[in-house]
Amino acid sequence: QAVLTQPSSLSASPGASASLTCTLRSGINVDTYTISWYQQKPGSPPQYLLRYNSDSNKQQGSGVPSRFSGSKDASANAGILLISGLQSEDEADYYCKIWHSSAWVFGGGTKLTVL
Amino acid sequence: EVQLVESGGGLVQPGGSLRLSCAASGFTFSRYWMSWVRQAPGKGLEWVANIKQDGSEKHHVDSVKGRLTISRDNAKNSLYLQMNSLTAEDTAVYYCARDDLGSLDHWGQGTLVTVSS
Repeated sequence: QAVLTQPSSLSASPGASASLTCTLRSGINVDTYTISWYQQKPGSPPQYLLRYNSDSNKQQGSGVPSRFSGSKDASANAGILLISGLQSEDEADYYCKIWHSSAWVFGGGTKLTVL
Repeated sequence: EVQLVESGGGLVQPGGSLRLSCAASGFTFSRYWMSWVRQAPGKGLEWVANIKQDGSEKHHVDSVKGRLTISRDNAKNSLYLQMNSLTAEDTAVYYCARDDLGSLDHWGQGTLVTVSS
């Protein structure tokens, strides 16, 4: 079982909100991890969006709009990237990442389609 | 402006070697951890390795241990990835990234490594 699991795809309408999940493997408690999120558009390198540990310990990437926010769902053992007010330019691949067992681990990525 | 420019990619035969470089500018290179991340064609991101500011601590993903080695030269503001015993599974775009307290906050454009006979 992968350390981080993301749904492969998600579709949402312009102006709506999209909630992207990053589920940690059983036995790895989301409460103890800081989760970072990255956006990648075709043909471009990834861009850092934000990192989230708690409401009092979080960081927004430089220039990243506030409509991108992070949170956790302890009951689902998952990190969440919430994108509100979806725009066509938000269509991209999104990756989560944690530091686990002395390594950075990325999730498999979610392809977000805005249509 | 932070800039990271990778070089050294290309076509190499299975079992061959390459050395990737990443030239950093626009920030104090010696103050940051640095990472290499790769992306196989059509696939997701895979972290490869990172290195502490002074080079005294390094971590590599299990799949590359003993074959790929990260290093740095702070006097030259440069990051390196020595790649030996390459296989087709190493074919990917390799990115260098600045690691700021766990956030890979700046990335280069990447360099493509193709392992094929």
